[in-house]
Amino acid sequence: QQQVKQSPQSLIVQKGGISIINCAYENTAFDYFPWYQQFPGKGPALLIAIRPDVSEKKEGRFTISFNKSAKQFSLHIMDSQPGDSATYFCAASKNTGNQFYFGTGTSLTVIP
Amino acid sequence: DVKVTQSSRYLVKRTGEKVFLECVQDMDHENMFWYRQDPGLGLRLIYFSYDVKMKEKGDIPEGYSVSREKKERFSLILESASTNQTSMYLCASSFQFGSPLHFGNGTRLTVT
Repeated sequence: QQQVKQSPQSLIVQKGGISIINCAYENTAFDYFPWYQQFPGKGPALLIAIRPDVSEKKEGRFTISFNKSAKQFSLHIMDSQPGDSATYFCAASKNTGNQFYFGTGTSLTVIP
Repeated sequence: DVKVTQSSRYLVKRTGEKVFLECVQDMDHENMFWYRQDPGLGLRLIYFSYDVKMKEKGDIPEGYSVSREKKERFSLILESASTNQTSMYLCASSFQFGSPLHFGNGTRLTVT
């Protein structure tokens, strides 16, 4: 049973465009929602994270939007660059919990 | 910067062999994790450890065991490797539960 559902599986965006990746969860006990970025040959690295007390968090060109009532959160990459081409994973956990639940990943390709 | 080091980048083993995957972290983190990454399935937790000699099963522990004799080192053991264990294996550590995960660069294991 997939605790966190992620879409789309792959995404192709033109340079300068906006990349949007969506995730949904069921467990209302989740209270920490990170996004990880993974380049080929590397392990995932924390990109940005949000807690449900805010609806949006922005770091540079990366923004998480969080909708608690809909149990959905999304990653927006503004002004997408070829260097953003990577696989992105959303995840969820309980603050005191011992497990992260990951989405299935989105392969992003930014075309020059 | 936290460094999580996995001893092998690539491994090729034969069916039935006993396989050891080693992971070392240098930040005195309490928690260590082993994930398996497969296309379309995301990251799935095999085992985790919250203290020396302590371990707990994740979502897919069958066919695997772990060992944590020292705080900085966490080993994944495939008692009798099978072809369906061909995968990318990722080790991670975290300061405490609810803290971000720090991943190694992975070990790509092929079982023939």
